[in-house]
Amino acid sequence: RKEVEQDPGPFNVPEGATVAFNCTYSNSASQSFFWYRQDCRKEPKLLMSVYSSGNEDGRFTAQLNRASQYISLLIRDSKLSDSATYLCVVNMPAGGFKTIFGAGTRLFVKA
Amino acid sequence: NAGVTQTPKFRVLKTGQSMTLLCAQDMNHEYMYWYRQDPGMGLRLIHYSVGEGTTAKGEVPDGYNVSRLKKQNFLLGLESAAPSQTSVYFCASRNAGPTNNEQFFGPGTRLTVL
Repeated sequence: RKEVEQDPGPFNVPEGATVAFNCTYSNSASQSFFWYRQDCRKEPKLLMSVYSSGNEDGRFTAQLNRASQYISLLIRDSKLSDSATYLCVVNMPAGGFKTIFGAGTRLFVKA
Repeated sequence: NAGVTQTPKFRVLKTGQSMTLLCAQDMNHEYMYWYRQDPGMGLRLIHYSVGEGTTAKGEVPDGYNVSRLKKQNFLLGLESAAPSQTSVYFCASRNAGPTNNEQFFGPGTRLTVL
């Protein structure tokens, strides 16, 4: 079983749609969680951290469910510019911090 | 403030050739990382460094060596390139400490080994 698993997609949605991605992680001792965004042929960039209480940044909402060991990302009112790959990232306390990146979920937003 | 830069951006090697990838950061970060990214797979850690003069193996270190002689630079060497090392290589850096975990990435180096 992979340490961090994501649905690879692609998700094809029209502009204005709401789309949700889930990510599961295997290590219950994982301590911090993030969503990164990666545009085609570009480097990953931090989209948002994920907090236990859930957090929102504009049209983006991230949630953490420790009991079920998954995190989610909800994008409301999708824009063309949201088209990208979304990486789920988990930090595990292994000899310092071990960062595990999911393989990513591809999103295409169409006009 | 350039952030994280990588040199070169593209490279084509023949099997058996060697090369060095350079990563530089101007954010005074303690930690630096080298990853490779292949289709359908997440970023995989090759080597990392928690400070000047220190390096450690990551998930996929075989066939690579690294050096961190200066805090701002992290070099990745391929001793004898193989086609399996065709990949996109990303360097990243971050502040030390668990409360500052954002990693900042360089633009990547696209390497093809023939």
